[in-house]
Formats: sequence, structure tokens, C-alpha cells
Amino acid sequence: NAGVTQTPKFQVLKTGQSMTLQCAQDMNHNSMYWYRQDPGMGLRLIYYSASEGTTDKGEVPNGYNVSRLNKREFSLRLESAAPSQTSVYFCASSEYWQGSYEQYFGPGTRLTVT
Amino acid sequence: QQPVQSPQAVILREGEDAVINCSSSKALYSVHWYRQKHGEAPVFLMILLKGGEQKGHEKISASFNEKKQQSSLYLTASQLSYSGTYFCGTENYGGSQGNLIFGKGTKLSVKP
Repeated sequence: NAGVTQTPKFQVLKTGQSMTLQCAQDMNHNSMYWYRQDPGMGLRLIYYSASEGTTDKGEVPNGYNVSRLNKREFSLRLESAAPSQTSVYFCASSEYWQGSYEQYFGPGTRLTVT
Repeated sequence: QQPVQSPQAVILREGEDAVINCSSSKALYSVHWYRQKHGEAPVFLMILLKGGEQKGHEKISASFNEKKQQSSLYLTASQLSYSGTYFCGTENYGGSQGNLIFGKGTKLSVKP
């Protein structure tokens, strides 16, 4: 049981390049999330998917797109990377448990845009 | 609407106690607590629900004051392994179910 996996672990991009961050979970969770974490800012929600086939914007969606490919996979795409997108990106999944949703996080992708 | 955590940082000696607070300006349905060690992913600690129910997996306690829209995390007899950054995540009434808004974190350092 791998939990939530993310690829790649590290990535360096030049300004204007594009890339897709991959996330998969094997816990059969319906909900999946993409966060970014910047020093001193906590975790900020980029996009989320409450179920297969649905996606919604979070707090900081500009410059990103997502795809919920199936129940297991949720990808995040940067179409034209900017230095302001330098951050650590976490994917998470959750399922309803005893009144609320406990989130399980992947190991993160550390992205640098030069 | 990001919850406010206090203190921002705390340094303890092994065996000392600490309290971390989380306050919101919005009515809360639940408060979640996570711990993140340097270079790692956040790990779930506890959920507190409206009505005073407390759920968790570790021997760390917490409280939830719905009227004040506040939660406190209590770490007693701290151990070296408690070091890390603690985040509260709040689930608001009227928000999307299951979506959390995280505070900026409290960095806890436990020294021998």
C-alpha cells in the first residue's frame, strides 16, 4: 500500500517551459487535492477534485490546470512556468471518516523556476 | 480567512509542555491538526469536530471551542520526536466539504 505517490521529486524549469506533476493514490479515495507550500505561508490549495470527473479551483489557481484522469490519478499542469511558481507542491487525498475528511499527503515535488 | 496560529515558534526542553493555538474569523465545522518534519509531507494528528468530539491517533490532546472559533493543541512531556512544524486546517461552514484552509504553522523545537 503505497498511499499517495508523486512524480517527479525535484524539477528545475526555465521561465516559459511547461510540465505536468503527477499524483496517484491507491486508497480508493474520492477526493484529491493539490497544494503549494511556500516558506512562512503554510499550505495553499490550488485545485481540488471531489470525485472522478470533477475539478474546482482553490485559493491560488492562476497559472495552473488540473486533470482528474480517473479515481486514482490527479495531475497538475503548469503551461508556462514563472519564477513565482517556485515552490513545493503536495498532492493529497481524503475520504470521509468519523465526521470529517482526514487528508493523506504525498511526499511532495520541489519545483524551481529560473 | 486563513486561521491564525500562535505562537509562530517555540523552543522546549525535553519533558516540557507546550500549547499551540489556532483561531478563525469564520464559523468552524472542524479543525484538523497536522505535523510536518523538515523536508517531509504533513502527517495527520487529529480532527476536532463541532460538538466537542475529539479524534486522533497519537497521545497528543486538543480542544475545540466552537463559540470562540478556536482550537488548542496540547503537547505534554515533550519528546525530541515532537519537533516539527504544526499546522491547523479549518473546515468552515459554507465551504466545500472536506476542503481545509491551513494556518501558517507553528515551528516547535524540542532540545535535549
